[in-house]
Amino acid sequence: DAGVTQSPTHLIKTRGQQVTLRCSPISGHKSVSWYQQVLGQGPQFIFQYYEKEERGRGNFPDRFSARQFPNYSSELNVNALLLGDSALYLCASTHREDPWGEQFFGPGTRLTVL
Amino acid sequence: DQQVKQNSPSLSVQEGRISILNCDYTNSMFDYFLWYKKYPAEGPTFLISISSIKDKNEDGRFTVFLNKSAKHLSLHIVPSQPGDSAVYFCAAHPDNYGQNFVFGPGTRLSVLP
Repeated sequence: DAGVTQSPTHLIKTRGQQVTLRCSPISGHKSVSWYQQVLGQGPQFIFQYYEKEERGRGNFPDRFSARQFPNYSSELNVNALLLGDSALYLCASTHREDPWGEQFFGPGTRLTVL
Repeated sequence: DQQVKQNSPSLSVQEGRISILNCDYTNSMFDYFLWYKKYPAEGPTFLISISSIKDKNEDGRFTVFLNKSAKHLSLHIVPSQPGDSAVYFCAAHPDNYGQNFVFGPGTRLSVLP
């Protein structure tokens, strides 16, 4: 069974641009969470979606948005990119509706903003 | 304002010895804790968890201890193996449905042969 997949692997953008990151959860998992990991820090929670509904939101500006599709894949959008948005963006999935329990992470998308 | 702290950025241990990774938290609402391991170019991998109603959980070579009064948990790896060399993240979850895990900054463990 395939694990969580994310695309693209790497991405380079310039300030002010917009970016869309994609995530496919493990088959059968209905919950997807997004995290931002800045170099030298732990992952920081951005969003959680379950059955296409937003179930949780971290402390991120409105430039960050996400959605989940009927096949449970998800997209993370970031508008008006800033240099500080440069980070590894991780997607995690779980079969659980609640946010507790083990989450399975993808390898991440490395975003560089110049 | 770091709610989950891992004050040792790095740790080196000899193969076969015990590795002890520490984690402190400030939010008394945290009620569930996990440890994740991360290799370069891979996403974090779940290792072990503990609920706040327990003080110890064991899984093979990995044991997590929780001291609620001190708001401290630790991960023991015995015996340590070179393949354990990775970055270890402590994560905590508040008793709040709308939130998600809060991760510490990580500790890089190097197990020397």
